[in-house]
Amino acid sequence: DVKVTQSSRYLVKRTGEKVFLECVQDMDHENMFWYRQDPGLGLRLIYFSYDVKMKEKGDIPEGYSVSREKKERFSLILESASTNQTSMYLCAAKGVIWNTEAFFGQGTRLTVV
Amino acid sequence: ILNVEQSPQSLHVQEGDSTNFTCSFPSSNFYALHWYRWETAKSPEALFVMTLNGDEKKKGRISATLNTKEGYSYLYIKGSQPEDSATYLCAFFTNNNDMRFGAGTRLTVKP
Repeated sequence: DVKVTQSSRYLVKRTGEKVFLECVQDMDHENMFWYRQDPGLGLRLIYFSYDVKMKEKGDIPEGYSVSREKKERFSLILESASTNQTSMYLCAAKGVIWNTEAFFGQGTRLTVV
Repeated sequence: ILNVEQSPQSLHVQEGDSTNFTCSFPSSNFYALHWYRWETAKSPEALFVMTLNGDEKKKGRISATLNTKEGYSYLYIKGSQPEDSATYLCAFFTNNNDMRFGAGTRLTVKP
């Protein structure tokens, strides 16, 4: 079974904390993505990476950064968590071959208090 | 921002009804259009990956069509069942390796 694993299912953090969300895939896929999901807004792309050490901004990168030091791991970093970053975060991985599907992690529900 | 739009936002149908949803996307930089099914408390799972204009794909009672020139795709469910209740997402994958999603269509099938 292909797997994308996110480090936590639920997380509660305080305003101002630095938060790390980890995503690991075991499929050797080149592309990895971070999305947040909010009611009525669907999945919005925060950052994506198409190779190790490569990163590209998505539609809502403000307040976030990412790290991809190894092919299998893509980390999302909230430099200083704020209440408006309370959301469901989803990680996905996809192969470089253009007609292949993406695989998703189980999601991390982050609450910033 | 690449806009991917889905309609309707939500749909309530009776068991046995057939239904369809729409996904519209930019026609430039097109590489692939994906459809995903997302059930509550689970991860999204792929239904179809469509790449060619005129593509038609089918999986059981669910089928999809693709028009890349005008930038839309339709997803059809024939004879809806309660277990079809889920959010259906479309995603637009570009030649820049990014993947944008629509807001989804939330389907509820009543027994």
